[in-house]
Amino acid sequence: GENVEQHPSTLSVQEGDSAVIKCTYSDSASNYFPWYKQELGKRPQLIIDIRSNVGEKKDQRIAVTLNKTAKHFSLHITETQPEDSAVYFCAAREGGSYIPTFGRGTSLIVHP
Amino acid sequence: GAGVSQSPSNKVTEKGKDVELRCDPISGHTALYWYRQSLGQGLEFLIYFQGNSAPDKSGLPSDRFSAERTGGSVSTLTIQRTQQEDSAVYLCASSTRSGADEQFFGPGTRLTVL
Repeated sequence: GENVEQHPSTLSVQEGDSAVIKCTYSDSASNYFPWYKQELGKRPQLIIDIRSNVGEKKDQRIAVTLNKTAKHFSLHITETQPEDSAVYFCAAREGGSYIPTFGRGTSLIVHP
Repeated sequence: GAGVSQSPSNKVTEKGKDVELRCDPISGHTALYWYRQSLGQGLEFLIYFQGNSAPDKSGLPSDRFSAERTGGSVSTLTIQRTQQEDSAVYLCASSTRSGADEQFFGPGTRLTVL
């Protein structure tokens, strides 16, 4: 089955800095890669996703890049703000499966 | 519209007791997932329902865990003879259809087994 590794487990940055979270996956058949944000005490919510036919996707201050050859994908947050503080989960889903495999999460702390 | 709801929000039980956790998915969503989130861990898949098809139970950690989905809507996750290692947040999610991208999560039920 799929295995997703996520790093770092904790990331501390100053407001205005950029933050990068990296994930690797094992199954070359995976073709869908979502990122979820979970604020403290709240439910996870989808913030951005990418499919394997695209190398990069941007949405305002967040972007995701995908390297299919190396089987890794990353979340980039620019101009971080305190409200970006949360746990971020990456996931990978194989084309023939309806069940994503999640990474262990990265706790992002943005210091004002 | 209303999102995914779960009840209870918190449940404290004694070791050996049975518990039932409820999930109300978004109306019209045919796919429903249960996950377990332990402290410092990711989202561990437990079970997946799609319409009237047989559920995918491949993530259930033991035969003490079971789930039902009645009428293609509400789902109940049952844990029998609870153990301390069952303590976690249990999250339910739904999506519009099988293979749909976005999962909409509920607020979770925090289970504490004493």
